Amino acid sequence: GAGVSQSPSNKVTEKGKDVELRCDPISGHTALYWYRQSLGQGLEFLIYFQGNSAPDKSGLPSDRFSAERTGGSVSTLTIQRTQQEDSAVYLCASSLVWGAGAPLHFGNGTRLTVT
Amino acid sequence: EDKVVQSPLSLVVHEGDTVTLNCSYEVTNFRSLLWYKQEKKAPTFLFMLTSSGIEKKSGRLSSILDKKELSSILNITATQTGDSAIYLCAEGGSEKLVFGKGTKLTVNP
Repeated sequence: GAGVSQSPSNKVTEKGKDVELRCDPISGHTALYWYRQSLGQGLEFLIYFQGNSAPDKSGLPSDRFSAERTGGSVSTLTIQRTQQEDSAVYLCASSLVWGAGAPLHFGNGTRLTVT
Repeated sequence: EDKVVQSPLSLVVHEGDTVTLNCSYEVTNFRSLLWYKQEKKAPTFLFMLTSSGIEKKSGRLSSILDKKELSSILNITATQTGDSAIYLCAEGGSEKLVFGKGTKLTVNP
């Protein structure tokens, strides 16, 4: 596709359930990033991938969060035992090369609501 | 820890006004400063600045970086209702972009 694709666009889940969010980056983009945006807040960095490896997982809020990327393409962000404070918009972005300053191309995000 | 602060947090103007949005940063290893516009969903890239004092322009939008003052401004002239959005500033000193909280701009007709 032409842009970064994320699915689902909206997800409502009950507290305690696991959720999986998917990101399909722009073809050929080697770097992939996950950010979280809560109401009234800026973008909070979660994790990034260079190819299939994740050199920096420091932004993951807790061990309930994990992410993987396969084939240098699609990535999934998994949240186990969801809590209400996990409610946010989860944004995925990709860029042609990894490294500071390369413009990121964002998807439309997944709005997660934990009830 | 790298930090980006934007001001004002929100701004309401009338069509035709000129606005200036501010961004300041504290980073250990500065490499670039980026501006994004976020309307409903995905932030869209506006500018990337690496050199101090060189203005980047796109239509009615322009931006400039001041490395001495560790800051950048985004100017929008002759604002239109379509400029209403959240404007995000981000610093790229490491492998990830660090974002500010954004300035919410509302342009009233």
